[in-house]
Amino acid sequence: GEDVEQSLFLSVREGDSSVINCTYTDSSSTYLYWYKQEPGAGLQLLTYIFSNMDMKQDQRLTVLLNKKDKHLSLRIADTQTGDSAIYFCADLPGGSYIPTFGRGTSLIVHP
Amino acid sequence: DAGVIQSPRHEVTEMGQEVTLRCKPISGHNSLFWYRQTMMRGLELLIYFNNNVPIDDSGMPEDRFSAKMPNASFSTLKIQPSEPRDSAVYFCASSLTGRTGNTIYFGEGSWLTVV
Repeated sequence: GEDVEQSLFLSVREGDSSVINCTYTDSSSTYLYWYKQEPGAGLQLLTYIFSNMDMKQDQRLTVLLNKKDKHLSLRIADTQTGDSAIYFCADLPGGSYIPTFGRGTSLIVHP
Repeated sequence: DAGVIQSPRHEVTEMGQEVTLRCKPISGHNSLFWYRQTMMRGLELLIYFNNNVPIDDSGMPEDRFSAKMPNASFSTLKIQPSEPRDSAVYFCASSLTGRTGNTIYFGEGSWLTVV
């Protein structure tokens, strides 16, 4: 079946850029998503990218998609302590309305 | 717009008791999802409804779990009898299929502890 893989932890210094990586297996994926989960809260959509796009930028967030390698990344510029959270990658397989989520990457931002 | 609304936010119950979790999806959305999140297993899809009809319930752990969606604005997830291993955060999410992005929106979760 479909699989979405992420590393579990990332630690960065405040002010640096963070890059969270994700790989997926389904070549028919139509949309790919990044969600953010803060402690005690639900998953909040950060951004999504359509599979025919290579890049999407939204303020401090840059999403890069390499469809050939089935690799998705989320870059957060000027990372702040408020960015500390778990970031989930998800893809939507073609013909499905059910996204597949990764296990999430815990981003730790230290001074 | 109000987001996905879940209740209760927190519940502590004794083993063997019945637990009912409630969800109000975003108005106009036609798909509803129930997820369970634990440290060990991450985020698991329990059941998916489309137009109030259960489409995929392959993630429901066992017969102790049941979910209903009597109308477009309400769903319940029931656990009877509850067990300590059911302790988890249960999320409800909704989406409008066919909308650009097919984005699903999550509620704040129901934090269940079974002692």
